Amino acid sequence: GAVVSQHPSRVICKSGTSVKIECRSLDFQATTMFWYRQFPKQSLMLMATSNEGSKATYEQGVEKDKFLINHASLTLSTLTVTSAHPEDSSFYICSAKEISGGALETQYFGPGTRLLVL
Amino acid sequence: GQNIDQPTEMTATEGAIVQINCTYQTSGFNGLFWYQQHAGEAPTFLSYNVLDGLEEKGRFSSFLSRSKGYSYLLLKELQMKDSASYLCAVHDSNYQLIWGAGTKLIIKP
Repeated sequence: GAVVSQHPSRVICKSGTSVKIECRSLDFQATTMFWYRQFPKQSLMLMATSNEGSKATYEQGVEKDKFLINHASLTLSTLTVTSAHPEDSSFYICSAKEISGGALETQYFGPGTRLLVL
Repeated sequence: GQNIDQPTEMTATEGAIVQINCTYQTSGFNGLFWYQQHAGEAPTFLSYNVLDGLEEKGRFSSFLSRSKGYSYLLLKELQMKDSASYLCAVHDSNYQLIWGAGTKLIIKP
């Protein structure tokens, strides 16, 4: 099946610093990638939809200036958490939509990045 | 509004069968997905239904009734490693994925 990688898997940073998370589709091209956040014991919350070559679409309540998304190529999207604060500590998961040409457009998930802001 | 309902938690015995239900009310429908998520890990794709009926894949089967806005995931011959959360998600008319809150499945020996 399709493989999506995410780096780093875990990061601890000081409050006020910025953290960049990379999401790569390893064996397929993805014009669309998604960024999710998941707090403990809660469901996935879509933060933004990242389209290659265009600006990301953010969900309501997600600050676009705080969560910078760049989708530079068909296999790479990055999420930068700027000026991170303890409340940004969460599990960040990306997914990539495989273009099959048919009705099935399955999202495949990266392994996630656990962010802890001290 | 758009809504997906699934039970919060279920308990089953190793070796048994369990059915996890999912009902949805969405603006349009373009397919329903089931994902498995172990604690601390990202979700993994299990199944996809877009037409009515049963899709079988090994120990796991997924059923869809579009007229009833209803799906279930059936897990047979339960193993301890099946303990996880199971997420139901629906593609709406814009192919936006609407997520359920997930069902935590606890398997007991």
